[in-house]
Amino acid sequence: DVKVTQSSRYLVKRTGEKVFLECVQDMDHENMFWYRQDPGLGLRLIYFSYDVKMKEKGDIPEGYSVSREKKERFSLILESASTNQTSMYLCASSLRSEVGAEQYFGPGTRLTVT
Amino acid sequence: ELKVEQNPLFLSMQEGKNYTIYCNYSTTSDRLYWYRQDPGKSLESLFVLLSNGAVKQEGRLMASLDTKARLSTLHITAAVHDLSATYFCAVDLRNFGNEKLTFGTGTRLTIIP
Repeated sequence: DVKVTQSSRYLVKRTGEKVFLECVQDMDHENMFWYRQDPGLGLRLIYFSYDVKMKEKGDIPEGYSVSREKKERFSLILESASTNQTSMYLCASSLRSEVGAEQYFGPGTRLTVT
Repeated sequence: ELKVEQNPLFLSMQEGKNYTIYCNYSTTSDRLYWYRQDPGKSLESLFVLLSNGAVKQEGRLMASLDTKARLSTLHITAAVHDLSATYFCAVDLRNFGNEKLTFGTGTRLTIIP
């Protein structure tokens, strides 16, 4: 079974802090994704990566950056956390496929910025 | 910009009844996914629909895709309490040969005994 793990289930940070969210997958997937989930807005893509050291902006990249130094690990960085970044953050991974590949999700990190 | 709309957003239904969740999208695509999310949990893949006319069934859930109408449906037959969850559809918009999913806002389904 594919396993996607995230470093924390719950996190509380102060405004202005630098925040690191880590995601690790164990199935050698090429693609990795970071989403945030907010009530009434569904999932919105923040950043994604198709390969090591490669990254692409998603729909809402402002205030975030990412790092992918190893294939299995994809990190989301909030350079200076703000209260509007309080949210549930979900990491996902998938195989690269021309015919479509489902994404496998981690358990999520609920981040509260005070 | 791809828009994915689900309706209804909230659905309460009695056990034993049938109902359908609709997923409309605005741009041509022939790849659509359905996910389930239980409260406090992450998303679990239900169905992958990869062509026009595709139909997949698992237990009391059946999903279909009409790419010409840009519509997917998730049909629930004889609902049971265990099906209470939030259901998301997601559309794959190819980007340089790699998939990028755009999700609907979700349908929160509550099955009432």
